[in-house]
Amino acid sequence: AQSVTQLDSHVSVSEGTPVLLRCNYSSSYSPSLFWYVQHPNKGLQLLLKYTSAATLVKGINGFEAEFKKSETSFHLTKPSAHMSDAAEYFCVVSLAYNQGGKLIFGQGTELSVKP
Amino acid sequence: DGGITQSPKYLFRKEGQNVTLSCEQNLNHDAMYWYRQDPGQGLRLIYYSQIVNDFQKGDIAEGYSVSREKKESFPLTVTSAQKNPTAFYLCASRFSAGGGIQYFGAGTRLSVL
Repeated sequence: AQSVTQLDSHVSVSEGTPVLLRCNYSSSYSPSLFWYVQHPNKGLQLLLKYTSAATLVKGINGFEAEFKKSETSFHLTKPSAHMSDAAEYFCVVSLAYNQGGKLIFGQGTELSVKP
Repeated sequence: DGGITQSPKYLFRKEGQNVTLSCEQNLNHDAMYWYRQDPGQGLRLIYYSQIVNDFQKGDIAEGYSVSREKKESFPLTVTSAQKNPTAFYLCASRFSAGGGIQYFGAGTRLSVL
């Protein structure tokens, strides 16, 4: 069975400092992994997507994630946090379409950014 | 504008009442999904549909019902059998191809009076 675990429920950083949000996955085959962001009372927006073309994936708003098969990790990073980055972030794995194309979500990490 | 429209944004349910949440997409996506979000629990799948007139239960389907009479519409009914309906409900859709990306609506917040 596929699953994702987000290692921190809450991360707090100062504006201008690096961001690291951690995610480990479990999958019996090469997974389709995503990071989504959700601002309060809003829908989810795709930040980036890994589908085996490259291990370092660049997303929107300066975010990146690195797929490490040996560590079964897909951590999200950003060199310099901005106040507008404060939101909830979800690490997600997608099942194949012939399995319903369903998304399996991590529990989420709330990112706070201090001025 | 292309996208996924959920309505209403806020909804209140009285005891014993059924309520219906609307989800419409004009992206020509094949599949549509309903998720429930509770604080600190991520998103959980309620129902999904990959083709018109067909749908499948997700992980927490009890107390909910859906229909898919048109490709662009996937309404969710929260029935009186759902004893704890207070949550944020999100609808999503995707193409059958496209690498698994689902696109989300803005959500409906359901509360019990």
